[in-house]
Amino acid sequence: QVQLVESGGGVVQPGGSLRLSCAASGFTFSSYGMHWVRQAPGKGLEWVAFIRYDGSNKYYADSVKGRFTISRDNSKNTLYLQMNSLRAEDTAVYYCAKDISGVAATMDSTSFDYWGQGTLVTVSS
Amino acid sequence: QSVLTQPPSVSGAPGQRVTISCTGSSSNIGAGYDVHWYQQLPGTAPKLLIYGNSNRPSGVPDRFSGSKSGTSASLAITGLQAEDEADYYCQSYDSSLSAHVVFGGGTKLTVL
Repeated sequence: QVQLVESGGGVVQPGGSLRLSCAASGFTFSSYGMHWVRQAPGKGLEWVAFIRYDGSNKYYADSVKGRFTISRDNSKNTLYLQMNSLRAEDTAVYYCAKDISGVAATMDSTSFDYWGQGTLVTVSS
Repeated sequence: QSVLTQPPSVSGAPGQRVTISCTGSSSNIGAGYDVHWYQQLPGTAPKLLIYGNSNRPSGVPDRFSGSKSGTSASLAITGLQAEDEADYYCQSYDSSLSAHVVFGGGTKLTVL
C-alpha cells in the first residue's frame, strides 16, 4: 500500500531554515510527480510546490517562490522541501502528496491521490 | 479570499442528502479545468474523494458524487452518516495565477 511519511518539522526562528523529507513506499516513486501542500492552523489547504517525476520541472506558489526549493532523490524514494528565510506566516502542517498522474502529469490536471500524515512547522521567536 | 468559493458550513440529518458548492470563474472551472474534492476528517490528512469532476477512487462509497457545470461544481452526499462529518475542499487549476493549483476555502459538514 502507498505510504508517505514526512519528517523534519519543528520550531524555527523567523529568518531560519528547515528541510522537510517525505519517504515514499508502495508505488514506483520515480514514475510520479510529487507535491507539497500546507495547512495553517485552523485554516484551509494551500498548494506549495510540485516536482515532475524526473525532477525536470518544478513549480512554486508565489508565497514561497525564491525561498523554498523542492527536490527529490529517486534512488532513495524521497521528496524534500528546503525552506529558507522562514516567516511567521509559513507556520503550518506540511503534507507531501502524490500526483494521481504518472509521467504525463501536467499542472492543469493535477490532483492528489495519496497524502502523508503531515509534519508541523512553527516559525516563532 | 480563496479563488474557489465554498460555503463555510452545511448540515444535514442522518440519511439526508446534502450538496456542497464550489464556485469559480472563467479562468479556472469555467475554462474547462477539472474539479477534484477532498475529505478531511478531524485531525487527519485530506483524502481524495472525487477526481476529474465525477470519478470516485476505489474504496469511496457511491454515496459521494461530483458534478460540474459552467463555472461551478458540486459535491453531493446521499444517505448522510455520522462519519461523514468532516471538512470538504474543492480543488482545480487556474490559468491566471502563477500558483496554478487552487483550493476552495473548505466547507464544514455537520451531521445533526
